[in-house]
Amino acid sequence: DTAVSQTPKYLVTQMGNDKSIKCEQNLGHDTMYWYKQDSKKFLKIMFSYNNKELIINETVPNRFSPKSPDKAHLNLHINSLELGDSAVYFCASRPSGTGEETQYFGPGTRLLVL
Amino acid sequence: QQQVKQSPQSLIVQKGGISIINCAYENTAFDYFPWYQQFPGKGPALLIAIRPDVSEKKEGRFTISFNKSAKQFSLHIMDSQPGDSATYFCAASIGSGTYKYIFGTGTRLKVLA
Repeated sequence: DTAVSQTPKYLVTQMGNDKSIKCEQNLGHDTMYWYKQDSKKFLKIMFSYNNKELIINETVPNRFSPKSPDKAHLNLHINSLELGDSAVYFCASRPSGTGEETQYFGPGTRLLVL
Repeated sequence: QQQVKQSPQSLIVQKGGISIINCAYENTAFDYFPWYQQFPGKGPALLIAIRPDVSEKKEGRFTISFNKSAKQFSLHIMDSQPGDSATYFCAASIGSGTYKYIFGTGTRLKVLA
């Protein structure tokens, strides 16, 4: 299946823990994104990488650190988890090239911090 | 200037009816306007998109109407079906650089059988 995949699908953890979410796309895209969807369903961009280079870094606590080992993978590491980090995190990817603006989303990782 | 305002927040339509969701933006540099559909427990998926050089785009039962002078665009779902029940997001982006999406706040659509 060609797609954007995320692991894990669900993540339940205690406050103060450190956790990672992984994203992989086999679409051959150059640009990948992390979004946060809060309890009110609002979708907000967090980070974006293009060919392993960070190109978007929104106002996000520095407890969140993205890492792109290659252009097919974008991981999100979260240190010292807080209750307010509970949300659904979506990875997305986009092909490169002028006019290629459609973003393809993964299924999401539902993070619950207790 | 970076906001995209979406309304209504929720919408209930009878089967066979027309669903209309509206979005407005301020930044005239936006040049790509997609609509995404999200079912519960799933990621958003592109439904239809438009660029500001056209005033309307139709794909099956889904139509985007675009008013450049008013800086507004809307999604019309004709002959709405229960399977269309989902959350719909409009978005806007600038077609260069980071291609960052600014999403609207979402509309939860329920189509009654």
